[in-house]
Amino acid sequence: NAGVTQTPKFRVLKTGQSMTLLCAQDMNHEYMYWYRQDPGMGLRLIHYSVGEGTTAKGEVPDGYNVSRLKKQNFLLGLESAAPSQTSVYFCASRPTGTTFLDTQYFGPGTRLTVL
Amino acid sequence: RKEVEQDPGPFNVPEGATVAFNCTYSNSASQSFFWYRQDCRKEPKLLMSVYSSGNEDGRFTAQLNRASQYISLLIRDSKLSDSATYLCVATTHATGRRALTFGSGTRLQVQP
Repeated sequence: NAGVTQTPKFRVLKTGQSMTLLCAQDMNHEYMYWYRQDPGMGLRLIHYSVGEGTTAKGEVPDGYNVSRLKKQNFLLGLESAAPSQTSVYFCASRPTGTTFLDTQYFGPGTRLTVL
Repeated sequence: RKEVEQDPGPFNVPEGATVAFNCTYSNSASQSFFWYRQDCRKEPKLLMSVYSSGNEDGRFTAQLNRASQYISLLIRDSKLSDSATYLCVATTHATGRRALTFGSGTRLQVQP
């Protein structure tokens, strides 16, 4: 049981390049999320998914696209990377809980630098 | 105005000290509250949920004041291993997504 894993761990891109970040979870969770964390900003929600085949925008979705073709995977794409997308990206998942005190499980993060 | 606000610190305290962090939230529809801990260059991990009646987990005590819209975390008998950034988190269920809204974190450094 690996929990939530993210690939790659580090990446350096040039402005205008594209890439895809992969998040995988083996806990059969319905909900998955992508956050970015910048210094002094806390974590901000980019996109999320409430189930296979569904995605929705979070608070900072511009410049990103996502797909959830399989329940266990949630992909985050950058079509044309910009220096403003330099950040640490965290993926998280959670089950569909009946209690509001359910928690999210985070992956180890991907450090992305855009030059 | 940020939806969840915290004093960024850093709080530098000696081992054995008691330290308290406060956090305020602006969305009165927020329903669930948590404290997460984040070590340097690592992912956030749940420290404890915050119940309306207040709750304790060992040396850690969390309180929620809905009328004033603030949450607190008290750490007693600080250990060196408590050094980390503590993230205050609120979540609103009305949107259906149950995403977490994070404060920017309060950094704690426990000194020997």
